[in-house]
Amino acid sequence: GENVEQHPSTLSVQEGDSAVIKCTYSDSASNYFPWYKQELGKGPQLIIDIRSNVGEKKDQRIAVTLNKTAKHFSLHITETQPEDSAVYFCAASRSQAGTALIFGKGTTLSVSS
Amino acid sequence: EAQVTQNPRYLITVTGKKLTVTCSQNMNHEYMSWYRQDPGLGLRQIYYSMNVEVTDKGDVPEGYKVSRKEKRNFPLILESPSPNQTSLYFCASSWNFGHTEAFFGQGTRLTVV
Repeated sequence: GENVEQHPSTLSVQEGDSAVIKCTYSDSASNYFPWYKQELGKGPQLIIDIRSNVGEKKDQRIAVTLNKTAKHFSLHITETQPEDSAVYFCAASRSQAGTALIFGKGTTLSVSS
Repeated sequence: EAQVTQNPRYLITVTGKKLTVTCSQNMNHEYMSWYRQDPGLGLRQIYYSMNVEVTDKGDVPEGYKVSRKEKRNFPLILESPSPNQTSLYFCASSWNFGHTEAFFGQGTRLTVV
């Protein structure tokens, strides 16, 4: 089955710096790669996703890149702000009925002002 | 408002006393799933359901039961809870976990003593 590795487990940056979180996956058939943000006391919430026919996707200060050959994808947050502090999860899945989202173990991002 | 509602939010119980955590979604989603979140282990899937009366095991199903009698509801049942089931539980729903955004509930923090 699919296995998703996520690094680093914790990341501390200064406000305004960039943050990068990396994930690798094992199942070459996976083709959907979402990123979720979990704020304290809340459930995870989708912030961006990418499909295997796309190499990069941007949404304001966040971007995701995908390298299907190497089976890894990354989340990039630019100009970090204190409200970006949260736990971030990457996930991978096949686009077919009955498949599950397999999550990485999460990255705790702390942005200090 | 589109949402996934879990109840209760917090629960302390004793070993062996059966309990049910309810989950309801108002988005007419086909797919629903239960996850547990533990420090350092991320989100692990317990059970999922592709439609009414269709359920299947996830990665960590031991000690849990689910049912899907109605499309909107997906309760998680612990017939005989044990201390190793102390965890933070999340219910999620989606049109298709492999394709589209998963919406998570607020979580249920369960402590088994």
